[in-house]
Amino acid sequence: QTVVTQEPSLTVSPGGTVTLTCGSSTGAVTSGHYPNWFQQKPGQAPRSLIYRTSNKHSWTPARFSGSLLGGKAALTLSGVQPEDEAEYYCLLFYGAPWVFGGGTKLTVL
Amino acid sequence: QVQLVQSGGEVKQPGASVKVSCKTSGFTFINYGFSWVRQAPGQGLEWIGWIRVDNADTQFPQRFRDRVTLTTDTSTTTAYMELRRLTSDDTAVYFCARDINWDVDFWGQGTLVTVSS
Repeated sequence: QTVVTQEPSLTVSPGGTVTLTCGSSTGAVTSGHYPNWFQQKPGQAPRSLIYRTSNKHSWTPARFSGSLLGGKAALTLSGVQPEDEAEYYCLLFYGAPWVFGGGTKLTVL
Repeated sequence: QVQLVQSGGEVKQPGASVKVSCKTSGFTFINYGFSWVRQAPGQGLEWIGWIRVDNADTQFPQRFRDRVTLTTDTSTTTAYMELRRLTSDDTAVYFCARDINWDVDFWGQGTLVTVSS
């Protein structure tokens, strides 16, 4: 069974920069896994941020960026805002199935 | 504007089935696929299947393959997810999400399914 791994929690100061990663038990994450990133706040549906590794939706704030880094997918927040405090999930495509990571709880403190 | 509006919460007994709908508007329904995702209380997201509208192709993880049916109705631009043989472990919020070419963009608001005797 494929496992997608994310940091369980991270803390960042307002205005700071933080990178969340998304690894795969099958080996390096590549663009062929079409990484997607989502933000979820308590009691809300997920909100899509990044698709196909690094593409932003029209509503994605400029401070969010996606990349591949050291064999993992990565989501970088530059100039973190208090409203960025949330759970972040990555999603990787393995043909079938898609697999979500376990999520990273980002605290802005 | 793009909208995905899901049906209301359900309470089901163990062993029963549930069918959740995802009514869409604001885009050309047949051009897209729909993933279904669930989230158990206090837990992360779990992908439970995908359907492509134009040819009804479906994909499922192995653990849901014999319990989940995904369908769409192009006349009402609605996607459906049916889950059978419910157990308490199926208690979760179920989401539909639109996607095209591995771009998951818009989500429904979620439907709470509670399985309890």
